[in-house]
Amino acid sequence: LAKTTQPISMDSYEGQEVNITCSHNNIATNDYITWYQQFPSQGPRFIIQGYKTKVTNEVASLFIPADRKSSTLSLPRVSLSDTAVYYCLVGDIRGANNLFFGTGTRLTVIP
Amino acid sequence: NAGVTQTPKFRILKIGQSMTLQCTQDMNHNYMYWYRQDPGMGLKLIYYSVGAGITDKGEVPNGYNVSRSTTEDFPLRLELAAPSQTSVYFCASSGLGGETQYFGPGTRLLVL
Repeated sequence: LAKTTQPISMDSYEGQEVNITCSHNNIATNDYITWYQQFPSQGPRFIIQGYKTKVTNEVASLFIPADRKSSTLSLPRVSLSDTAVYYCLVGDIRGANNLFFGTGTRLTVIP
Repeated sequence: NAGVTQTPKFRILKIGQSMTLQCTQDMNHNYMYWYRQDPGMGLKLIYYSVGAGITDKGEVPNGYNVSRSTTEDFPLRLELAAPSQTSVYFCASSGLGGETQYFGPGTRLLVL
């Protein structure tokens, strides 16, 4: 089962770009990489999902190298409202029993 | 659409008591999940369901039971509450297994 490793915490100033890297050395061929954001006292919220190379949406970009053993979530020009915990998940898009949320990365945006 | 709703929001149980955490989704999703989140930790999958009548264990199923009689509802049952079950419980749903999961607001449970 592909589990993930992320930095426990990161600090960033407002307006900067933030990159959070996730290691998943045991990723399987059918596994996708998904990132969620969680604010205090709320359930996680989907940010972005990808399989390889680069995926971009209105809030973030996801960079996945060719070997897929890691991935990087990029948040452009963060604001105070981006202060949250960010989780990287790796799992087969067809299955539900191999979804592991690690401890996540606590991002604190500083004014 | 209300999305995923959970009741109650907060509950205090005594050791040995039982209760059911309710979860309902109105998105016609096939997959539903129950997670628990301990303070400062990530979410751990308790049980999941791929459709009405079909459930399976996740990472931490001991002490819990589930049923899925309809597409919309996925209740979680605690039979003999223990202090170790003090946690925040999140229900989620998705169209397919690996697709975007939509989470409910959570139920905070305290077992004393």
